[in-house]
Amino acid sequence: SAVISQKPSRDICQRGTSLTIQCQVDSQVTMMFWYRQQPGQSLTLIATANQGSEATYESGFVIDKFPISRPNLTFSTLTVSNMSPEDSSIYLCSGSAGRGTQETQYFGPGTRLLVL
Amino acid sequence: QKEVEQNSGPLSVPEGAIASLNCTYSDRGSQSFFWYRQYSGKSPELIMSIYSNGDKEDGRFTAQLNKASQYVSLLIRDSQPSDSATYLCAPTRGLDNFNKFYFGSGTKLNVKP
Repeated sequence: SAVISQKPSRDICQRGTSLTIQCQVDSQVTMMFWYRQQPGQSLTLIATANQGSEATYESGFVIDKFPISRPNLTFSTLTVSNMSPEDSSIYLCSGSAGRGTQETQYFGPGTRLLVL
Repeated sequence: QKEVEQNSGPLSVPEGAIASLNCTYSDRGSQSFFWYRQYSGKSPELIMSIYSNGDKEDGRFTAQLNKASQYVSLLIRDSQPSDSATYLCAPTRGLDNFNKFYFGSGTKLNVKP
Protein backbone atom coordinates (compact mmCIF):
# COMPACT_ATOMS: atom_id res chain seq x y z
CA SER A 1 0.00 0.00 0.00
CA ALA A 2 1.01 3.62 -0.51
CA VAL A 3 2.12 5.86 2.36
CA ILE A 4 0.31 9.20 2.50
CA SER A 5 0.73 11.93 5.08
CA GLN A 6 -1.14 15.17 5.62
CA LYS A 7 -0.68 18.22 7.74
CA PRO A 8 -2.09 19.81 9.70
CA SER A 9 -4.15 17.00 11.22
CA ARG A 10 -6.67 19.52 12.53
CA ASP A 11 -7.19 23.24 12.79
CA ILE A 12 -9.65 25.79 14.08
CA CYS A 13 -9.89 28.86 11.87
CA GLN A 14 -11.73 32.15 11.83
CA ARG A 15 -14.26 33.06 9.19
CA GLY A 16 -12.73 34.85 6.21
CA THR A 17 -9.25 33.37 6.57
CA SER A 18 -7.57 30.71 4.43
CA LEU A 19 -5.91 27.42 5.32
CA THR A 20 -3.42 25.45 3.24
CA ILE A 21 -3.29 21.69 3.71
CA GLN A 22 -0.23 19.75 2.63
CA CYS A 23 -0.11 16.19 1.38
CA GLN A 24 2.98 14.04 0.84
CA VAL A 25 2.81 10.67 -0.91
CA ASP A 26 5.35 7.99 -1.64
CA SER A 27 6.81 7.28 -5.06
CA GLN A 28 4.28 4.52 -5.89
CA VAL A 29 1.54 7.10 -6.30
CA THR A 30 0.69 8.35 -9.78
CA MET A 31 -2.54 10.30 -9.34
CA MET A 32 -3.46 12.54 -6.39
CA PHE A 33 -6.93 13.63 -5.36
CA TRP A 34 -8.59 15.86 -2.77
CA TYR A 35 -11.87 14.91 -1.11
CA ARG A 36 -14.17 16.52 1.40
CA GLN A 37 -16.18 14.57 3.94
CA GLN A 38 -18.77 16.54 5.85
CA PRO A 39 -20.02 15.21 9.18
CA GLY A 40 -21.99 11.99 8.71
CA GLN A 41 -21.59 12.10 4.95
CA SER A 42 -19.61 10.17 2.39
CA LEU A 43 -16.64 11.32 0.38
CA THR A 44 -17.05 14.09 -2.19
CA LEU A 45 -14.30 14.52 -4.75
CA ILE A 46 -13.12 18.12 -4.94
CA ALA A 47 -10.50 17.79 -7.67
CA THR A 48 -7.75 15.78 -9.26
CA ALA A 49 -4.34 17.34 -8.61
CA ASN A 50 -2.33 17.37 -11.82
CA GLN A 51 1.43 17.64 -11.72
CA GLY A 52 2.64 20.95 -13.10
CA SER A 53 -0.74 22.09 -14.38
CA GLU A 54 -4.11 23.28 -13.15
CA ALA A 55 -6.18 20.83 -11.14
CA THR A 56 -9.31 19.28 -12.63
CA TYR A 57 -12.28 20.33 -10.51
CA GLU A 58 -15.55 18.48 -10.00
CA SER A 59 -18.89 20.15 -10.45
CA GLY A 60 -19.58 22.54 -7.59
CA PHE A 61 -15.94 23.25 -6.78
CA VAL A 62 -13.96 26.15 -8.20
CA ILE A 63 -10.32 27.13 -8.26
CA ASP A 64 -10.89 30.47 -6.53
CA LYS A 65 -12.30 28.73 -3.48
CA PHE A 66 -10.07 25.63 -3.49
CA PRO A 67 -6.78 26.40 -5.22
CA ILE A 68 -4.66 23.26 -5.60
CA SER A 69 -1.02 22.85 -6.49
CA ARG A 70 1.05 19.82 -7.32
CA PRO A 71 4.57 21.01 -8.06
CA ASN A 72 6.01 17.49 -8.22
CA LEU A 73 4.88 13.87 -8.24
CA THR A 74 4.85 13.39 -4.48
CA PHE A 75 3.51 16.66 -3.05
CA SER A 76 0.26 18.61 -3.29
CA THR A 77 -1.48 21.39 -1.41
CA LEU A 78 -5.14 22.33 -1.08
CA THR A 79 -6.08 25.80 0.11
CA VAL A 80 -9.52 26.49 1.51
CA SER A 81 -10.01 30.19 0.84
CA ASN A 82 -12.17 32.82 2.48
CA MET A 83 -13.56 30.22 4.86
CA SER A 84 -17.07 30.14 6.28
CA PRO A 85 -18.56 27.78 8.88
CA GLU A 86 -19.96 25.70 5.98
CA ASP A 87 -16.38 24.74 5.12
CA SER A 88 -16.05 22.87 8.41
CA SER A 89 -15.30 19.36 7.27
CA ILE A 90 -12.66 16.68 6.97
CA TYR A 91 -10.38 17.15 3.98
CA LEU A 92 -8.74 14.02 2.68
CA CYS A 93 -5.83 13.63 0.32
CA SER A 94 -5.64 10.39 -1.62
CA GLY A 95 -3.28 8.82 -4.08
CA SER A 96 -3.67 6.00 -6.52
CA ALA A 97 -1.10 3.35 -7.27
CA GLY A 98 -1.09 0.53 -9.77
CA ARG A 99 -2.50 0.35 -13.27
CA GLY A 100 -5.71 -0.71 -14.98
CA THR A 101 -8.02 -2.82 -12.85
CA GLN A 102 -5.22 -3.06 -10.27
CA GLU A 103 -5.23 0.71 -9.68
CA THR A 104 -6.05 1.29 -6.02
CA GLN A 105 -6.68 4.48 -4.11
CA TYR A 106 -5.21 5.09 -0.66
CA PHE A 107 -6.07 7.84 1.78
CA GLY A 108 -4.12 10.11 4.05
CA PRO A 109 -5.19 10.55 7.68
CA GLY A 110 -7.24 13.66 6.89
CA THR A 111 -7.36 17.25 8.11
CA ARG A 112 -10.21 18.14 10.44
CA LEU A 113 -11.18 21.75 9.92
CA LEU A 114 -13.50 23.77 12.12
CA VAL A 115 -14.40 27.29 11.00
CA LEU A 116 -15.82 29.63 13.61
CA GLN B 1 -30.73 8.29 -8.95
CA LYS B 2 -27.44 8.03 -7.09
CA GLU B 3 -24.57 6.41 -8.91
CA VAL B 4 -23.81 4.14 -5.95
CA GLU B 5 -26.48 3.00 -3.52
CA GLN B 6 -25.84 1.57 -0.08
CA ASN B 7 -28.22 1.05 2.82
CA SER B 8 -27.06 3.53 5.44
CA GLY B 9 -27.89 1.17 8.31
CA PRO B 10 -27.04 0.74 11.02
CA LEU B 11 -26.78 -2.98 10.41
CA SER B 12 -26.57 -4.77 13.73
CA VAL B 13 -25.24 -8.31 13.99
CA PRO B 14 -24.18 -10.39 17.00
CA GLU B 15 -20.56 -11.27 17.47
CA GLY B 16 -19.63 -14.37 15.48
CA ALA B 17 -22.38 -13.91 12.90
CA ILE B 18 -22.03 -13.16 9.19
CA ALA B 19 -22.50 -9.51 8.23
CA SER B 20 -23.73 -8.91 4.68
CA LEU B 21 -23.19 -5.48 3.16
CA ASN B 22 -24.74 -4.64 -0.19
CA CYS B 23 -24.12 -2.09 -2.91
CA THR B 24 -25.73 -1.35 -6.26
CA TYR B 25 -24.31 0.88 -8.95
CA SER B 26 -25.71 2.52 -12.05
CA ASP B 27 -22.71 2.73 -14.39
CA ARG B 28 -22.48 -0.45 -16.49
CA GLY B 29 -19.01 0.65 -17.54
CA SER B 30 -17.66 0.20 -14.02
CA GLN B 31 -14.60 -1.98 -14.12
CA SER B 32 -13.24 -2.50 -10.60
CA PHE B 33 -15.02 -2.49 -7.29
CA PHE B 34 -13.52 -1.60 -3.94
CA TRP B 35 -14.60 -1.91 -0.33
CA TYR B 36 -13.22 0.47 2.29
CA ARG B 37 -13.71 0.48 6.03
CA GLN B 38 -13.90 3.76 7.92
CA TYR B 39 -13.78 3.90 11.68
CA SER B 40 -15.32 6.95 13.31
CA GLY B 41 -12.90 9.87 13.14
CA LYS B 42 -10.49 8.02 10.85
CA SER B 43 -9.84 7.97 7.12
CA PRO B 44 -11.01 5.13 4.85
CA GLU B 45 -8.80 2.06 4.67
CA LEU B 46 -8.88 -0.48 1.86
CA ILE B 47 -10.36 -3.89 2.66
CA MET B 48 -10.38 -5.54 -0.74
CA SER B 49 -11.22 -5.21 -4.39
CA ILE B 50 -12.90 -7.38 -7.02
CA TYR B 51 -12.83 -7.16 -10.81
CA SER B 52 -14.51 -10.32 -12.11
CA ASN B 53 -17.95 -11.78 -11.59
CA GLY B 54 -18.16 -14.24 -8.74
CA ASP B 55 -16.64 -14.43 -5.30
CA LYS B 56 -13.26 -13.36 -4.00
CA GLU B 57 -12.15 -14.34 -0.51
CA ASP B 58 -9.57 -12.66 1.70
CA GLY B 59 -9.47 -13.98 5.24
CA ARG B 60 -12.83 -13.34 6.92
CA PHE B 61 -13.93 -11.13 4.03
CA THR B 62 -15.64 -12.25 0.81
CA ALA B 63 -16.53 -9.85 -1.98
CA GLN B 64 -19.21 -10.89 -4.46
CA LEU B 65 -19.75 -9.25 -7.83
CA ASN B 66 -22.61 -9.62 -10.31
CA LYS B 67 -22.11 -7.19 -13.17
CA ALA B 68 -25.33 -8.19 -14.93
CA SER B 69 -27.30 -7.17 -11.86
CA GLN B 70 -24.95 -4.24 -11.12
CA TYR B 71 -24.54 -5.53 -7.61
CA VAL B 72 -21.55 -5.99 -5.34
CA SER B 73 -21.53 -7.21 -1.77
CA LEU B 74 -19.14 -7.78 1.11
CA LEU B 75 -19.57 -10.63 3.56
CA ILE B 76 -17.78 -10.57 6.89
CA ARG B 77 -17.61 -13.96 8.57
CA ASP B 78 -17.19 -14.42 12.32
CA SER B 79 -17.93 -10.73 12.88
CA GLN B 80 -16.04 -9.09 15.72
CA PRO B 81 -16.82 -5.90 17.67
CA SER B 82 -13.68 -4.45 16.05
CA ASP B 83 -15.48 -4.73 12.69
CA SER B 84 -17.92 -2.04 13.83
CA ALA B 85 -17.37 0.76 11.33
CA THR B 86 -18.83 2.32 8.20
CA TYR B 87 -18.20 0.35 5.02
CA LEU B 88 -17.88 2.26 1.74
CA CYS B 89 -18.45 0.70 -1.66
CA ALA B 90 -16.54 2.25 -4.58
CA PRO B 91 -16.98 1.20 -8.20
CA THR B 92 -14.47 2.70 -10.60
CA ARG B 93 -14.53 3.75 -14.22
CA GLY B 94 -11.53 4.27 -16.44
CA LEU B 95 -10.92 7.77 -17.72
CA ASP B 96 -8.08 9.01 -19.94
CA ASN B 97 -5.20 7.95 -17.78
CA PHE B 98 -6.62 6.90 -14.44
CA ASN B 99 -9.62 5.27 -12.77
CA LYS B 100 -12.21 7.49 -11.14
CA PHE B 101 -13.66 6.17 -7.90
CA TYR B 102 -17.33 6.71 -7.10
CA PHE B 103 -18.01 6.32 -3.38
CA GLY B 104 -21.31 5.25 -1.88
CA SER B 105 -22.61 6.88 1.27
CA GLY B 106 -21.63 3.83 3.33
CA THR B 107 -23.31 1.29 5.57
CA LYS B 108 -22.73 1.53 9.30
CA LEU B 109 -22.13 -1.87 10.89
CA ASN B 110 -22.53 -2.54 14.60
CA VAL B 111 -21.26 -5.86 15.91
CA LYS B 112 -22.68 -6.53 19.36
CA PRO B 113 -20.61 -8.54 21.85
